Amino acid sequence: SYELTQPLSISVALGQTARLTCGGNNIGNKNVHWYQKKPGQAPVMVIYRDRNRPSGIPERFSGSNSGNTATLIISRAQAGDEAEYYCQVWDSSALYVFGAGTTVTVL
Amino acid sequence: QVQLQESGPGLVKASQTLSLTCTVSGASISSTIYFWNWIRQPAGKGLEWIGRFSSSGITDFNPSLKSRVTISVDTPKNQFSLKLTSVTAADTAVYYCARDTYGDYGALGFWGQGLVVDVSS
Repeated sequence: SYELTQPLSISVALGQTARLTCGGNNIGNKNVHWYQKKPGQAPVMVIYRDRNRPSGIPERFSGSNSGNTATLIISRAQAGDEAEYYCQVWDSSALYVFGAGTTVTVL
Repeated sequence: QVQLQESGPGLVKASQTLSLTCTVSGASISSTIYFWNWIRQPAGKGLEWIGRFSSSGITDFNPSLKSRVTISVDTPKNQFSLKLTSVTAADTAVYYCARDTYGDYGALGFWGQGLVVDVSS
């Protein structure tokens, strides 16, 4: 089955840029989606199909995907960006696959 | 605006069947272009996809749960339901229903608020 690898946690200084990675075999050939998950709240999609932002998501969120790594970039990090972030792909054998999630702390 | 809302018992005894319902507003369950999903998050763990269905007739399940999962639909009520049999403590989780966005390769653009389900021994 297909697997996605995310770092457990990262820290970013207020106002700086956070880069969250999501590793998978030839993930560059798949469409990657990213979700923000805060405690007690439903997940919110922040990036779909590698680099597209849903309506209402700030431009500070961007994404890329190539080779074996997809990346979510959070620019000018704010305290409100503290959350877990999950990458997800659709795979023909395993269907909806989520990474284990990365906890983002804004210092 | 599409809205989803989970409902059901918050406490289930071990070995019994967990039954949850998702009520949808702002979209029709009978549309054949969308997939309606169940996803869960155990405490302290990540998101786990459970299964999906479409009114086009397609139903798929997570292989690790397939033997215990049923998804059904009540079109007049615009609801779909999840049944998970023979539950154990490992099934304690927040359960979400969600819908994908058409043509976006499995992107889950709409989620319910989630329902906490505790399996007691």
